[in-house]
Amino acid sequence: DSGVTQTPKHLITATGQRVTLRCSPRSGDLSVYWYQQSLDQGLQFLIQYYNGEERAKGNILERFSAQQFPDLHSELNLSSLELGDSALYFCASTGQRGSYGYTFGSGTRLTVV
Amino acid sequence: QQPVQSPQAVILREGEDAVINCSSSKALYSVHWYRQKHGEAPVFLMILLKGGEQKGHEKISASFNEKKQQSSLYLTASQLSYSGTYFCGTEDGTDKLIFGTGTRLQVFP
Repeated sequence: DSGVTQTPKHLITATGQRVTLRCSPRSGDLSVYWYQQSLDQGLQFLIQYYNGEERAKGNILERFSAQQFPDLHSELNLSSLELGDSALYFCASTGQRGSYGYTFGSGTRLTVV
Repeated sequence: QQPVQSPQAVILREGEDAVINCSSSKALYSVHWYRQKHGEAPVFLMILLKGGEQKGHEKISASFNEKKQQSSLYLTASQLSYSGTYFCGTEDGTDKLIFGTGTRLQVFP
C-alpha cells in the first residue's frame, strides 16, 4: 500500500456518460497530481492541485474537470465520455516540491463502451 | 515538450548492465526516475536536482547534466526484478512533472 488511495479500481461505463474518480493523498502530502495512461502509452499530465488550489494544468480536455477538497482528497470528473477516454487514470501525491518523488495510487481503469 | 528517452527497448540477460537516457528541450529544475511494471503504478526510484549531482544505491544510479538538459539511469548487474518500463520525469519549475516516452526493459535468466 503506497498510502495514496484511489477509488474505484475499475469502472465500465457507456459513451456519453459522466464519472467521478476519487483520490486520497498520502498523509501529510498537500499536492495531488492526475495522470492519464492509455494502453501501452506514456503518462500524460492532466492537472495538479496544491492545498485546494489549482497549480498547473496539462493537456486536460474541457470535458474533464477536477477539484481538491479541504480534507485534501481530490476528484477527477470526466463527462460526455468517448471511447478514446478509456485509460488508466493515476493520482499521485508528494510533499515538498523538489525534494521528494511522487507516490502513485494504484489507478482507476476506465473502460468506455 | 515531452522528454525523449533512448533506447525505446532493452533486452538483457541477468547480470548485464544497461543505460537509459533522457533528454529534454527545456531547462530543468529536477529529473525523476520511475519504474512501472505492467498494469501497476509507477514506483519512484530517485530524484536529481539541478547541479549535476549523481545519486544511487548499489546497482541503480543516475546522473543529471543540467547544461545539456540530460539525465541517464545506470542499471548494473541487472536482476529479473528490474524488468519493467522506465520513465524519466522532468520538472522545469512550473510544478508540472512531464514524463518521458518510456524505455521497456526485459531481463531474462
